[in-house]
Amino acid sequence: DTEVTQTPKHLVMGMTNKKSLKCEQHMGHRAMYWYKQKAKKPPELMFVYSYEKLSINESVPSRFSPECPNSSLLNLHLHALQPEDSALYLCASSQAGGARAYEQYFGPGTRLTVT
Amino acid sequence: QQQVKQSPQSLIVQKGGISIINCAYENTAFDYFPWYQQFPGKGPALLIAIRPDVSEKKEGRFTISFNKSAKQFSLHIMDSQPGDSATYFCAANRGSNDYKLSFGAGTTVTVRA
Repeated sequence: DTEVTQTPKHLVMGMTNKKSLKCEQHMGHRAMYWYKQKAKKPPELMFVYSYEKLSINESVPSRFSPECPNSSLLNLHLHALQPEDSALYLCASSQAGGARAYEQYFGPGTRLTVT
Repeated sequence: QQQVKQSPQSLIVQKGGISIINCAYENTAFDYFPWYQQFPGKGPALLIAIRPDVSEKKEGRFTISFNKSAKQFSLHIMDSQPGDSATYFCAANRGSNDYKLSFGAGTTVTVRA
């Protein structure tokens, strides 16, 4: 199984709402990622978890809060977002450590609209 | 500051033609150079990857050429098909526990039937 699943597919939220994005993989990967992608741009790295510990935070605003409950699941908690946060949010996974981190498996993404 | 420069931004090719996308980098610490393909509404998918000690790698109709001295690499799509219409991102990675991919800006390829 080489699939990364993400829910929901689409999300519309107001600036005062709290919502969560979910990601799951069953490839035995111990590195998991959140990316943000704007239209016609490459993905921008937000967070990396390695062995369920936060390894990289790319100076993301605190209104985005990641969580890695176990080796298969990754969540992104959203609170008090701004309209400019509207984007496609991608989850990815890869092997941890060694040289295979370039081989990342991406989910289909959650299309987020902040109104 | 983009560490990997990619061109062109878009290209249109006739079915059966060759699509060529070019990328250049400066950081000699990069050790892996993957290409990702993204269809509309989908996440990127790893297409093919190369290391600097290899000058060319072919997988089906997709070929990566690598010029280490010029710090350039390119993707050739031979016999382009309408199903190849997608956005292609080159990327670079340092290997050795490096979780970051430095992506190029992307090239939208349209293959006309």
